[in-house]
Amino acid sequence: SQTIHQWPATLVQPVGSPLSLECTVEGTSNPNLYWYRQAAGRGLQLLFYSVGIGQISSEVPQNLSASRPQDRQFILSSKKLLLSDSGFYLCAWSGGSWPDTQYFGPGTRLTVL
Amino acid sequence: AQKITQTQPGMFVQEKEAVTLDCTYDTSDQSYGLFWYKQPSSGEMIFLIYQGSYDEQNATEGRYSLNFQKARKSANLVISASQLGDSAMYFCAMREGGRGAQKLVFGQGTRLTINP
Repeated sequence: SQTIHQWPATLVQPVGSPLSLECTVEGTSNPNLYWYRQAAGRGLQLLFYSVGIGQISSEVPQNLSASRPQDRQFILSSKKLLLSDSGFYLCAWSGGSWPDTQYFGPGTRLTVL
Repeated sequence: AQKITQTQPGMFVQEKEAVTLDCTYDTSDQSYGLFWYKQPSSGEMIFLIYQGSYDEQNATEGRYSLNFQKARKSANLVISASQLGDSAMYFCAMREGGRGAQKLVFGQGTRLTINP
């Protein structure tokens, strides 16, 4: 069966510091991968998605970036965090064939102070 | 224009009662999919049920069923015999047709509280 991991689970970072969140998937190959952000009490906003190694699509312009160095690894980064980057970050994967249901990881709660 | 609308910010239901969570959507595509997810306080998004636009039967998964009314563009989630563990946020989401990775558009969610 497939499993998706995210770390760290929680993170408190000062404004202006760098960020690296990691997501890995087990039990499948060539998944589609997604990064979402959820503000408190709100729905999810898609940030990035990837259909393969090195292939990243950005949905929302911001100071975040994503990379996919390996087939089942997806990384969310920032060089300098802003207060507005605080939120709950969720990684998801899908198999690529219709209906392409997305399955989510446990999430990372980021607080920028 | 908002693609997914969930008009109930919060709902309170007695244990063992059935509950319906509303979801309306807006799309001009003929091919699309509708999803419901549950988000407990731990934060993880749990996939519950899926309905395709061409599916003639309403989807069911255990205690979950989807009341799909295509002409009205609604896809309400019905939970039968609610349990205390059903207390959570519930999100409706839509994927529009096409190949490859497609984003899910989420509604704002409904917070369901089951009272003993």
